[in-house]
Amino acid sequence: KAGVTQTPRYLIKTRGQQVTLSCSPISGHRSVSWYQQTPGQGLQFLFEYFSETQRNKGNFPGRFSGRQFSNSRSEMNVSTLELGDSALYLCASSRGQGAGDTQYFGPGTRLTVL
Amino acid sequence: AQTVTQSQPEMSVQEAETVTLSCTYDTSENNYYLFWYKQPPSRQMILVIRQEAYKQQNATENRFSVNFQKAAKSFSLKISDSQLGDTAMYFCAFMKQALNYGGSQGNLIFGKGTKLSVKP
Repeated sequence: KAGVTQTPRYLIKTRGQQVTLSCSPISGHRSVSWYQQTPGQGLQFLFEYFSETQRNKGNFPGRFSGRQFSNSRSEMNVSTLELGDSALYLCASSRGQGAGDTQYFGPGTRLTVL
Repeated sequence: AQTVTQSQPEMSVQEAETVTLSCTYDTSENNYYLFWYKQPPSRQMILVIRQEAYKQQNATENRFSVNFQKAAKSFSLKISDSQLGDTAMYFCAFMKQALNYGGSQGNLIFGKGTKLSVKP
């Protein structure tokens, strides 16, 4: 099976702009989770989508949003970018059936905000 | 709230030797899952091993094994016959069990990581 894919791999934006990141899960996986990784805060959970519905949400401002499509692909959007949004954004997919499903990660999107 | 602590920010080991990475966690849950992920310089997060809390037997995957002590809330990773390719950040992670089939498990809660360097 193909792994989790994320596009783009690298992004450079300026403050105030918005950005959309995309994630394609492993075939058959219905749950997609997003994480932000920074040197200072480590890995932090953003949100989880399952069957096009947000099932879980972390402690991030409303500028961070996401959605999931009927084919389980997911996008996350960050509006009004701030310097502190510079991070590696990781997407992970799992079956989503709640039985200790392992999350498999994509290669990440490196976002730099100038 | 659950927390995961990795007390060793950095470690090094000689090639072919054995190294143990420590992880402790805090939870009031009885059913949960524990994971070790590695993140090499490429930044790809790769699953190393997982452990179900209800299983007393420690998980093993080739050169990787864990020492799971549920009462002590400890979950250490042992890497035997270390190889240069094992050089990476290693993250310990916790996930609770969903309340019902199909329900959300919540998210992975990660420790801060241990940077492991394998020296030739």
